[in-house]
Amino acid sequence: DAGVIQSPRHEVTEMGQEVTLRCKPISGHDYLFWYRQTMMRGLELLIYFNNNVPIDDSGMPEDRFSAKMPNASFSTLKIQPSEPRDSAVYFCASSLRGSLSYNEQFFGPGTRLTVL
Amino acid sequence: GESVGLHLPTLSVQEGDNSIINCAYSNSASDYFIWYKQESGKGPQFIIDIRSNMDKRQGQRVTVLLNKTVKHLSLQIAATQPGDSAVYFCAEGDWGFQKLVFGTGTRLLVSP
Repeated sequence: DAGVIQSPRHEVTEMGQEVTLRCKPISGHDYLFWYRQTMMRGLELLIYFNNNVPIDDSGMPEDRFSAKMPNASFSTLKIQPSEPRDSAVYFCASSLRGSLSYNEQFFGPGTRLTVL
Repeated sequence: GESVGLHLPTLSVQEGDNSIINCAYSNSASDYFIWYKQESGKGPQFIIDIRSNMDKRQGQRVTVLLNKTVKHLSLQIAATQPGDSAVYFCAEGDWGFQKLVFGTGTRLLVSP
């Protein structure tokens, strides 16, 4: 298995622009998570989905952030408009309920976002 | 003004030593705990997990200890190698749910 795939790996944009981050979870996994990692706040859960349905979006910072999961193999995290304080590494992770390591989340390589 | 970032605690050891990384978790209701390793430029990677009905679990060169009385978790790495250099995170959760809460992390530096 290729693992969790994220694109792009690096994104540099200007303040005010729309940014879309993409994630392909591990095939067969039924949970998908979006995290943000910064030096200031560490690793924060933004939102997670179960069977393509958002379960908890309490970590989404504000209305500028939105996430979708149109099908089991694809999710997007969108920031519109972007701001310099959104600069961070964004991770996508997936997991399978009922697996031997019950809550093990498999992380992608991350997208490093820089907003100028 | 200048931002103040997280001050990651750092553990420096010599190759071959045993390492112990500690974590205090916050929710007494948590019944599932995981240790993750994050190397520079990569996503966190699962190391070992433990449920609250256990106080010790061993893997290959790693051991996790759980003390529910004081809400403390530790990761022991035997015969530490330079490849073990990374940031280590503990995470807590509920066995019935998939959501995890991650700690701030500890940086492990292994000198040859």
